[in-house]
Amino acid sequence: EPEVTQTPSHQVTQMGQEVILHCVPISNHLYFYWYRQILGQKVEFLVSFYNNEISEKSEIFDDQFSVERPDGSNFTLKIRSTKLEDSAMYFCASSRAGGSGNEQFFGPGTRLTVL
Amino acid sequence: GENVEQHPSTLSVQEGDSAVIKCTYSDSASNYFPWYKQELGKRPQLIIDIRSNVGEKKDQRIAVTLNKTAKHFSLHITETQPEDSAVYFCAALLSGGYNKLIFGAGTRLAVHP
Repeated sequence: EPEVTQTPSHQVTQMGQEVILHCVPISNHLYFYWYRQILGQKVEFLVSFYNNEISEKSEIFDDQFSVERPDGSNFTLKIRSTKLEDSAMYFCASSRAGGSGNEQFFGPGTRLTVL
Repeated sequence: GENVEQHPSTLSVQEGDSAVIKCTYSDSASNYFPWYKQELGKRPQLIIDIRSNVGEKKDQRIAVTLNKTAKHFSLHITETQPEDSAVYFCAALLSGGYNKLIFGAGTRLAVHP
């Protein structure tokens, strides 16, 4: 069964550094998402992406965040200048279509630790 | 604002008992409600979902009920097994063409042999 993949599994960075998290969504999916989960807390929506543009973003997704689909298979999340509070598990997800009933499949996550 | 409340935060049951987790949502136009199971250190995985035009859905030992009037939905697990132990998240999909899932805070279910 196809799965969403993410690399790296764990990223450690210094405060103020830029990080790029990588995701390969399921190949025939058209909608892509990033969520984050601070340790022990709920999963929080960051951004959704469709047709090469952001379709929705949360208040967490401020100017330090950006997403890109650089080619036909990858979907990246860039954090320009990391802060301590960016430490979290970041999940990429994808769905075949949007709207009701279209399952969002989650990747295994990247644990980001900002020191 | 948009919000999903989930209760209880922890639930401990004996193997074979039933477990019920309840969620309420704020956006009355939400139309899709998935439940995810997350084992320690792993990705959330969909276990069951329900659309707003259906009141109940069942898949073997798992069922979900939806009360649109009251804006709440519940997960029912019968004949619980130790491997059901995990954190369970409910979520609601916002309406209006968005694909934004709003998650509840999670319920840590422990099933004791």
